[in-house]
Amino acid sequence: AQSVTQPDIHITVSEGASLELRCNYSYGATPYLFWYVQSPGQGLQLLLKYFSGDTLVQGIKGFEAEFKRSQSSFNLRKPSVHWSDAAEYFCAVAASGNTPLVFGKGTRLSVIA
Amino acid sequence: DSGVTQTPKHLITATGQRVTLRCSPRSGDLSVYWYQQSLDQGLQFLIHYYNGEERAKGNILERFSAQQFPDLHSELNLSSLELGDSALYFCASSARGGVSEQFFGPGTRLTVL
Repeated sequence: AQSVTQPDIHITVSEGASLELRCNYSYGATPYLFWYVQSPGQGLQLLLKYFSGDTLVQGIKGFEAEFKRSQSSFNLRKPSVHWSDAAEYFCAVAASGNTPLVFGKGTRLSVIA
Repeated sequence: DSGVTQTPKHLITATGQRVTLRCSPRSGDLSVYWYQQSLDQGLQFLIHYYNGEERAKGNILERFSAQQFPDLHSELNLSSLELGDSALYFCASSARGGVSEQFFGPGTRLTVL
């Protein structure tokens, strides 16, 4: 069975600082990987996805993530955080396209001035 | 706006009652997924329908059921409600076949008193 671990429950960064959110997955084959963001009281918005090919993927809002098979990781990065990035971030894995997502517990990002 | 709609936005009911949550997928999407988000369990997959047929079941209680209609909208029925059923219920849709990401609706917040 697949599983996703997001080791950091809560991260606080200063506005303008760089950000890295960690995600490790457990799955026997190459999974389909996703990062979603959830603002308070809102639904989940897809930031980026990895299905195959280039292991560095670009997403919306200036986010990128790198798939590292050897480390079973798919960490999310942003070079300069904006106050509007404060939200909950979820990493998810799927066995293939059009199959249910397995989510991590999420990382709450706070941004301070 | 993901294009996925869910009604109602909020639902407050009493223990023992039955409620129906409705989801309309993005135009053209054949797959509908239901997820439950609670503080203690996080985001958990409940059930997946594809073009009217049940495709996969996750941690869905026997008191819960779902269906997808010919017009592709889906309903999640929750019966004999308990306090612990209070949660945010999301539906997501994805395109027909192949490799595709899931687009989430804004969710229905269910409060059981």
